[in-house]
Amino acid sequence: EDQVTQSPEALRLQEGESSSLNCSYTVSGLRGLFWYRQDPGKGPEFLFTLYSAGEEKEKERLKATLTKKESFLHITAPKPEDSATYLCAVQAWTNAGKSTFGDGTTLTVKP
Amino acid sequence: IAGITQAPTSQILAAGRRMTLRCTQDMRHNAMYWYRQDLGLGLRLIHYSNTAGTTGKGEVPDGYSVSRANTDDFPLTLASAVPSQTSVYFCASSDSGDTQYFGPGTRLTVL
Repeated sequence: EDQVTQSPEALRLQEGESSSLNCSYTVSGLRGLFWYRQDPGKGPEFLFTLYSAGEEKEKERLKATLTKKESFLHITAPKPEDSATYLCAVQAWTNAGKSTFGDGTTLTVKP
Repeated sequence: IAGITQAPTSQILAAGRRMTLRCTQDMRHNAMYWYRQDLGLGLRLIHYSNTAGTTGKGEVPDGYSVSRANTDDFPLTLASAVPSQTSVYFCASSDSGDTQYFGPGTRLTVL
């Protein structure tokens, strides 16, 4: 059974204070690992897809990295508008098209 | 382009009543999904459809049914609602089967 564990559950940062969110996963043959951002009262919004260990993707202040057991979402010099819940999901080749989601990390960035 | 629309936005329902949540996409994506998200938790897959005319069960299918008569529409029906089905319901679609695009959600309360 595919499993995704995200940590920490909640993270409070001061504006400009860089940090990382963790996504540990267990999957039988990784097809892809996905990061989504979810604002309160809204649906998740796609950020990144990573397919193989060693891969990195960047978008503005966010960088996602992938190893064989976990993924990190690095946030550099965050701003208050980066406050959101960040969700990690995995897909296995045996379950292509079906994603297993973690419970998310709620990030709050204080000005 | 609207993307994915869901209706209603929110609903309060008496236990035992039948309810259909509507989902429509205009991106001509083959795959569509229904998730539920309970407070503080991630998304759990209820049902999915890889293409029009086919459907499959997800992680938590009991008490729910779906149909996929055409590419654009993917309604979710609760035959006889129970309080444990109180949740926020998200519909999503995907073209390639990996990156998913989510609707704004339906907040359902069953009393």
